Amino acid sequence: SQQGEEDPQALSIQEGENATMNCSYKTSINNLQWYRQNSGRGLVHLILIRSNEREKHSGRLRVTLDTSKKSSSLLITASRAADTASYFCATDATGSTLGRLYFGRGTQLTVWP
Amino acid sequence: AAGVIQSPRHLIKEKRETATLKCYPIPRHDTVYWYQQGPGQDPQFLISFYEKMQSDKGSIPDRFSAQQFSDYHSELNMSSLELGDSALYFCASSLGLRVSDGYTFGSGTRLTVV
Repeated sequence: SQQGEEDPQALSIQEGENATMNCSYKTSINNLQWYRQNSGRGLVHLILIRSNEREKHSGRLRVTLDTSKKSSSLLITASRAADTASYFCATDATGSTLGRLYFGRGTQLTVWP
Repeated sequence: AAGVIQSPRHLIKEKRETATLKCYPIPRHDTVYWYQQGPGQDPQFLISFYEKMQSDKGSIPDRFSAQQFSDYHSELNMSSLELGDSALYFCASSLGLRVSDGYTFGSGTRLTVV
């Protein structure tokens, strides 16, 4: 597999707290993307960070990328109950021009009101 | 804005039956990707099409076939269904083979094989 693990596998926090999820991968990448999935539903794209970027923000989301460690983190600030979902990172590997994504196993985030 | 449409949303089939899943990409998108997500698993790439030709192939069983039609919609045909084929099947579409801002996925088809 070209994808590593995400940790934690499950995260449970209170509303208002920050949630941090980590993702590791194995190969060189063009970009890394984070997706959200509500239970049994479709994947929703959250944010994309390119291999030459180190940090990116979008609203309450902050993504970092460390290509030397082949890892990324997703920070959700001031979490809300509606943020409860599974979060997946996915990589677009270098050398691939075909758009295939490699997904990690995901982190199940539960935000309690 | 129009999204990726998948049909049916749910499908129940018996072992050894055949199933056909459909994916309608966002208008003007010419590329479709299929992914399979087993229970509690991460999505796994199956196959993709660009301009009606197969562009990439992943871990797709030989029992499965797919194609992209002239209107760019795609169909995934699954024969001799097995219990292990029970999963959520997603498709995503894009304009061209690379995107600069992530992919749009459909809501998926949940296939249950009994």
